[in-house]
Amino acid sequence: SQTIHQWPATLVQPVGSPLSLECTVEGTSNPNLYWYRQAAGRGLQLLFYSVGIGQISSEVPQNLSASRPQDRQFILSSKKLLLSDSGFYLCAWSVGGHHSNQPQHFGDGTRLSIL
Amino acid sequence: GENVEQHPSTLSVQEGDSAVIKCTYSDSASNYFPWYKQELGKRPQLIIDIRSNVGEKKDQRIAVTLNKTAKHFSLHITETQPEDSAVYFCAARATSGTYKYIFGTGTRLKVLA
Repeated sequence: SQTIHQWPATLVQPVGSPLSLECTVEGTSNPNLYWYRQAAGRGLQLLFYSVGIGQISSEVPQNLSASRPQDRQFILSSKKLLLSDSGFYLCAWSVGGHHSNQPQHFGDGTRLSIL
Repeated sequence: GENVEQHPSTLSVQEGDSAVIKCTYSDSASNYFPWYKQELGKRPQLIIDIRSNVGEKKDQRIAVTLNKTAKHFSLHITETQPEDSAVYFCAARATSGTYKYIFGTGTRLKVLA
């Protein structure tokens, strides 16, 4: 069966510091991968998605970036965090391709607090 | 662009009553509609989904209905229990030409004991 791992679970960082969040998927190949951010009490904001190694689509201009160095690895990064980057970051995967009528599956999330 | 509207934003029901959450989508090419339940501090979890060739799907106390002509789909929870209290998100996806799932803004359901 497929599993998705996200780490760390919680992170407290000072303003201006760098960020690296990692997500890996097991049990499937060539998945579509997604990063979402969720502010407290709010909905899911799509940040990035990837349909293959090295292929990244950005949904919202911001100081974050994403990379997919391996088929089942998705990384969210920042060189300098802002206060507004605080939130709950969720990685998700779905069956690869754009003809799929299958759901997304979410990781357990990273709660990021910027001080 | 594509949009999914979800109503109501909050819903309180007495234990044992039914709850209905409604979503409307804009992209007529959408043909896959999942529903997620998110408990406080946890990840969204899929609870039921429906595909465009089906008008209704039921799983125990949960059912989803789809009206493609009106571009509406709804989640129905019967005999609600306190553990049903959570935020529920609807989503829509066109299975051709896009990789994105368009989410509604969420409904906070509170089941009162």
